[in-house]
Amino acid sequence: SQWGEENLQALSIQEGEDVTMNCSYKTYTTVVHWYRQDSGRGPALIILIRSNEREKRSGRLRATLDTSSQSSSLSITAAQCEDTAVYFCATDADYGNEKITFGAGTKLTIKP
Amino acid sequence: GGIITQTPKFLIGQEGQKLTLKCQQNFNHDTMYWYRQDSGKGLRLIYYSITENDLQKGDLSEGYDASREKKSSFSLTVTSAQKNEMAVFLCASSILHNQDTQYFGPGTRLLVL
Repeated sequence: SQWGEENLQALSIQEGEDVTMNCSYKTYTTVVHWYRQDSGRGPALIILIRSNEREKRSGRLRATLDTSSQSSSLSITAAQCEDTAVYFCATDADYGNEKITFGAGTKLTIKP
Repeated sequence: GGIITQTPKFLIGQEGQKLTLKCQQNFNHDTMYWYRQDSGKGLRLIYYSITENDLQKGDLSEGYDASREKKSSFSLTVTSAQKNEMAVFLCASSILHNQDTQYFGPGTRLLVL
């Protein structure tokens, strides 16, 4: 899993496989953002899951949120080469401020 | 739709130099952010601004200044560039606050010789 000042994690799978990336956070959050960053570009939001939701789906993406264990996951079904990117989770765990805190990220490589 | 523009795209500086990075957004968003991304690391917040002329320090504000002269623009100054420093600086904006989607620019790549 990823958080804060940790180094980027690397994950490599074959095209067509399923993959799950995990994110744990330290304090209560009202929302978990999952961002994707393609090489040479800024991050872009792919799924946002709120504390009153346990699961959210968008196409081949599925995000879960477990507030009791303070963790979230992002799953990709039948990964494709174009899913190769760095994936970040972010939370508003510093509640009351206008900012979110990003995890270190997972570099996902999908091999043909 | 809108866009975030960051200039310059690449910035090469000398040790001790003051360097300014600029960001413009046409989303009409209230909140803007500056992040630093080092190779193999996540994003760390330098400064953010919730409205024109507002400034809030992030976790990494030391060594930087910022300025939000108008709603659409947010600039960041590296007050004294550190030798061999290399990082990407990302600007983002959001409608209001931390529960909203942040829209990112493409980044400014800094190299200090």
